Amino acid sequence: GESVGLHLPTLSVQEGDNSIINCAYSNSASDYFIWYKQESGKGPQFIIDIRSNMDKRQGQRVTVLLNKTVKHLSLQIAATQPGDSAVYFCADQIGGYQKVTFGTGTKLQVIP
Amino acid sequence: NAGVTQTPKFQVLKTGQSMTLQCAQDMNHNSMYWYRQDPGMGLRLIYYSASEGTTDKGEVPNGYNVSRLNKREFSLRLESAAPSQTSVYFCASREVGAQETQYFGPGTRLLVL
Repeated sequence: GESVGLHLPTLSVQEGDNSIINCAYSNSASDYFIWYKQESGKGPQFIIDIRSNMDKRQGQRVTVLLNKTVKHLSLQIAATQPGDSAVYFCADQIGGYQKVTFGTGTKLQVIP
Repeated sequence: NAGVTQTPKFQVLKTGQSMTLQCAQDMNHNSMYWYRQDPGMGLRLIYYSASEGTTDKGEVPNGYNVSRLNKREFSLRLESAAPSQTSVYFCASREVGAQETQYFGPGTRLLVL
């Protein structure tokens, strides 16, 4: 993930709409990417991952898209619910290596 | 199966005091990590342990020491706390393999006055 400074970007979405959270990474050698969800007062929780040999992966209500050409990652959440309100982090790493780079996160606010 | 546990949940220290943050995992993972998280910032790696008996510095190791006591436990020590170490500390564990995601503990909130 890429540092974007001290201010956390915020995305406000109406309940039931789809959410798209974006992330840029800088290491072209990264080949494994993860999205985490962090609720207030808790540790980050795994949502979905994708390897560099794929450009799309789907989970339950979530889809991750990877564009290696522009080093961009996105997380799509379908039919956003109030329980989806949290900070979302992307992380990138080189498979098998210890170092993981985390983005600064995006705060998702779901409007009931 | 508790996953990753951390103690204490919250601590207030005076400048110069020392303390140890405890972390344990019951998933039989080889790798363990300590991160700090400051407001509006991502997680920054302090130290990690790729396997029992080994530890290595991460991005921000100054002012900290670690001990990988056994495969389950990985502790973080502040020898002389400073206000700049006020942060939320997360421990994580991981098994390198098919899915390389890290599993995080609930965090320790540290305030240094």
